Amino acid sequence: DQQVKQNSPSLSVQEGRISILNCDYTNSMFDYFLWYKKYPAEGPTFLISISSIKDKNEDGRFTVFLNKSAKHLSLHIVPSQPGDSAVYFCAAYNQGGKLIFGQGTELSVKP
Amino acid sequence: AAGVIQSPRHLIKEKRETATLKCYPIPRHDTVYWYQQGPGQDPQFLISFYEKMQSDKGSIPDRFSAQQFSDYHSELNMSSLELGDSALYFCASSLGTSGQETQYFGPGTRLLVL
Repeated sequence: DQQVKQNSPSLSVQEGRISILNCDYTNSMFDYFLWYKKYPAEGPTFLISISSIKDKNEDGRFTVFLNKSAKHLSLHIVPSQPGDSAVYFCAAYNQGGKLIFGQGTELSVKP
Repeated sequence: AAGVIQSPRHLIKEKRETATLKCYPIPRHDTVYWYQQGPGQDPQFLISFYEKMQSDKGSIPDRFSAQQFSDYHSELNMSSLELGDSALYFCASSLGTSGQETQYFGPGTRLLVL
């Protein structure tokens, strides 16, 4: 039972354009969400987070949007750079304090 | 800034052997988490420790055990290894366990069981 879902296994974007990575969750009690970026042979690197009391959080080129009614969040990267090519994981804390990960989306930014 | 350190980075074992993975959290972090990531899968939570006490348990097999020591480093002990234990094992650390803290991950240990 996948409580955090990233339905797009891969995404290809041209350099300079916007990358939009999507994430859906099933439990309306989830109240804190994080995005991680992972390169091969490395651990996940924290990118940005958002609390359920907000609907947007921005940090440089990265913005996360949260739509609680739709149980959906998205990560926007603009402008996209070739170095952004990696696997992006969405994660949420469940009521037990466990971090639940989505399946990941592999982003490829073409020069 | 200091990051989470894991050792070894790579480990090859045979079936039924034992393995010990080590994790050194970011200084002043009091919470350590262990995750297992199989090929093409998302990281799955195994177990966590807060202030040297087990704080939560996930899908950790009974053959595995872990502990957190007085210096906050943690060790994951894996016995009677099976082929299916081959995976990436990540350790993460955080300050506190509020359910809204950022977990910072180490580079992982890649375990191969032959």
